[in-house]
Order: sequence, then C-alpha cells, then structure tokens
Amino acid sequence: SQQGEEDPQALSIQEGENATMNCSYKTSINNLQWYRQNSGRGLVHLILIRSNEREKHSGRLRVTLDTSKKSSSLLITASRAADTASYFCATDAGTGGFKTIFGAGTRLFVKA
Amino acid sequence: DAGITQSPRHKVTETGTPVTLRCHQTENHRYMYWYRQDPGHGLRLIHYSYGVKDTDKGEVSDGYSVSRSKTEDFLLTLESATSSQTSVYFCAISEGLTSGSLDNEQFFGPGTRLTVL
Repeated sequence: SQQGEEDPQALSIQEGENATMNCSYKTSINNLQWYRQNSGRGLVHLILIRSNEREKHSGRLRVTLDTSKKSSSLLITASRAADTASYFCATDAGTGGFKTIFGAGTRLFVKA
Repeated sequence: DAGITQSPRHKVTETGTPVTLRCHQTENHRYMYWYRQDPGHGLRLIHYSYGVKDTDKGEVSDGYSVSRSKTEDFLLTLESATSSQTSVYFCAISEGLTSGSLDNEQFFGPGTRLTVL
C-alpha cells in the first residue's frame, strides 16, 4: 500500500487562482517532500519539510505539515499555465532516509 | 536532469527476453535508485544502492536484479521480461544522508519507456 496519498487526484483551475493539493500518509516520518513531474519528464524536487516544521515557503509554494493528522498540503499561489504538471508527495516512512515512498500524485491543469 | 542519463530511452522487447537498463550519473552521489511508474500507482521503488556493490530491495523487486560495479553506473536487469513489466522506469540519485540530517532529496533521470509484447 502507498505511504502517501494525494487528494484530489486531478485539479483544474484558471490561471491566477491558487491550487491546493493534500497528502496523507500512514506511518511516522522524518520528512516529507513534494515533487513535480511535467508530462514525459522525470520528477523535479520542489520542497522538503521536516517533521519538526509546520510550514515552509519557497517562492509561490507553501507547504504545511500536520504530524498529528499525518497530512501535508501544497499551496501554489497565483498559478500559471506552466504549473500544469503532476505533483507527488513523498515520505521516508521513518526508514531513516534511505527509501522514499511516493504517492500516486495529483494532476494539476492550469487554464490560460 | 542533474547529470543523470538513462539508456535506452525507449525499448520494445518480447516476453521472455532479457533486458538491461542503464543509469549513469556524473554527480558522484552515493545513492542510486530504480523506480517504475504506472498509471494510478505513482512511483514504486524496485531496488536501490547505497554504494558500490551495495544494493537492497524495494517494494516491487520480484523479477528484477541490479548491479553497481562503479559509483557512476547502476544497471537494472529483467532476466526474462513479462508483459507486466511494461512501464516507465526512472533512475534517481541522492547524496545520501549527511551527519545530523535525514534529508534525502532525489534527482531523477529522464526515464526509459519499456514495452514488453
């Protein structure tokens, strides 16, 4: 079974709107990461948040982590057509960092 | 793609034939990973390596073997390909864990699309 599960599976918004994606996981973690994948390409690392952090920002990205609820959210503000991609959360599942377990992803489509 | 190449990029093969995929890195990173990506499953870890000749199984390792004889190369072998192994395969690398840190940011290659007929 997957450690991280994203919600929603797909999201369609207008350019300029905010996009929020959620991730739930099952076991304790040391950190949680978000990756982006453009169609036909490999994944690109976006941001990492540690288990002792509650919120982190990077440009237009805002990530929150609630370890009591075993959940995280990724907010993309003022979305652009270029943000159209699949977004994956990934955790170390408490393995000490050697393995990273990915969710099935959220497909985001930003309409120009 | 962070100095990671995969070869071949596309391959079509027949059931029962052996297939080897190659991942090559120029970053001198310690850890290397092989994943497969299938619709609805995200990425699933097949095998990973934490050093030359040091490898371990992931969550979907059956039917796959790996080898790492040099830091820069990580080979994935399907001894006898089956149709269920039709997938997109991604290699990834990471520096590994540094003292006091459990962060494990991974960098991905462009992928290999494998079709087993």
